[in-house]
Amino acid sequence: GENVEQHPSTLSVQEGDSAVIKCTYSDSASNYFPWYKQELGKGPQLIIDIRSNVGEKKDQRIAVTLNKTAKHFSLHITETQPEDSAVYFCAAKGGVSGGYNKLIFGAGTRLAVHP
Amino acid sequence: DTAVSQTPKYLVTQMGNDKSIKCEQNLGHDTMYWYKQDSKKFLKIMFSYNNKELIINETVPNRFSPKSPDKAHLNLHINSLELGDSAVYFCASRHNPGQGAYGYTFGSGTRLTVV
Repeated sequence: GENVEQHPSTLSVQEGDSAVIKCTYSDSASNYFPWYKQELGKGPQLIIDIRSNVGEKKDQRIAVTLNKTAKHFSLHITETQPEDSAVYFCAAKGGVSGGYNKLIFGAGTRLAVHP
Repeated sequence: DTAVSQTPKYLVTQMGNDKSIKCEQNLGHDTMYWYKQDSKKFLKIMFSYNNKELIINETVPNRFSPKSPDKAHLNLHINSLELGDSAVYFCASRHNPGQGAYGYTFGSGTRLTVV
């Protein structure tokens, strides 16, 4: 089945620096890649997503890139702020082997932004 | 106004008991999910229903039984609770095909503690 690997598991940056989180997926038929932010005591919240027909997408300080050939996708946060501190999850929507209707999540990255 | 609401938020119970978690979404989505998040924050799909029909049933003990009385509700009943069932359980719903988005909307979670 589909497998999604996420790195790093923890990331600590100074306020104002950039943060990059990387994921790889196994099913070449996957066609949708969302990123979720989970704050303490809350459910995951969608922050940005990308479909397989697009290589890059940006929304203010957040951007996601996708390399279909290498089966890599990454989240980039620029000018980080303390409120960006949270656990971030990447996910891939299953292709044929993974089941079309489910998202497979990475293990999460705990981002800490220090003032 | 909550889009996906789960009750209860916290549930502490003894081993061997039977308990239920309720989920309701007011987004008009056809597909709903249950995910389990363990102590290491890993999110794993358990079940998915589309318009009251079970479409995904991962390798979950048959002590777990989902029920969908209508497409806006997906409840989770757990029999004979075990210590290893302790986790945070998230309900989610997904945009319908053709709405131009695939993202899931998660509830705020139910923290189940089995003692």
